[in-house]
Amino acid sequence: DGGITQSPKYLFRKEGQNVTLSCEQNLNHDAMYWYRQDPGQGLRLIYYSQIVNDFQKGDIAEGYSVSREKKESFPLTVTSAQKNPTAFYLCASSIGVAQPQHFGDGTRLSIL
Amino acid sequence: GEDVEQSLFLSVREGDSSVINCTYTDSSSTYLYWYKQEPGAGLQLLTYIFSNMDMKQDQRLTVLLNKKDKHLSLRIADTQTGDSAIYFCAESNRESSASKIIFGSGTRLSIRP
Repeated sequence: DGGITQSPKYLFRKEGQNVTLSCEQNLNHDAMYWYRQDPGQGLRLIYYSQIVNDFQKGDIAEGYSVSREKKESFPLTVTSAQKNPTAFYLCASSIGVAQPQHFGDGTRLSIL
Repeated sequence: GEDVEQSLFLSVREGDSSVINCTYTDSSSTYLYWYKQEPGAGLQLLTYIFSNMDMKQDQRLTVLLNKKDKHLSLRIADTQTGDSAIYFCAESNRESSASKIIFGSGTRLSIRP
């Protein structure tokens, strides 16, 4: 079955540490996205990529970095510069620009 | 900028219909969406409607769009306990250079016996 796989489901970060969240899709979608969700709130866009080897900042990109070396993969690194990283992180993909997005099951990041 | 607003909570008796409302500001919206999020899970695309449509029905779900008032609603017929979740309204504009969907803050639907 086609879908989006995020791993790990739970992740813990120590102070000053970078961590990387994985997102893989086998839907053959060109566009991929990373969102952050805080308790009781909607989604905020961190980064998005419309094609391989290209990505753009979203609304809250500071303290995060991404790469898009393969169509199927769009990993997100939460750097030590992100001072409040505790949140639920969601990856999504779509066929193209402004098309319906399909989501993974999320990664919950906490600080030790 | 664009904004999507929805009420935070809705409580409905099991077996009744649920109606979740949403308003948006972008008059150039191309697609309007409803997503469902269960606890600890990602968002599930329930349905979406093109901005040139007034209504879309899919089994127990009915979406109504009033483009003049920029109002979108989701009706769930015969609401069941499995419908308990947070429902997000969202819109996107195909003409926008930024390929992003604007989400509301979500409506938490709870079901009473």
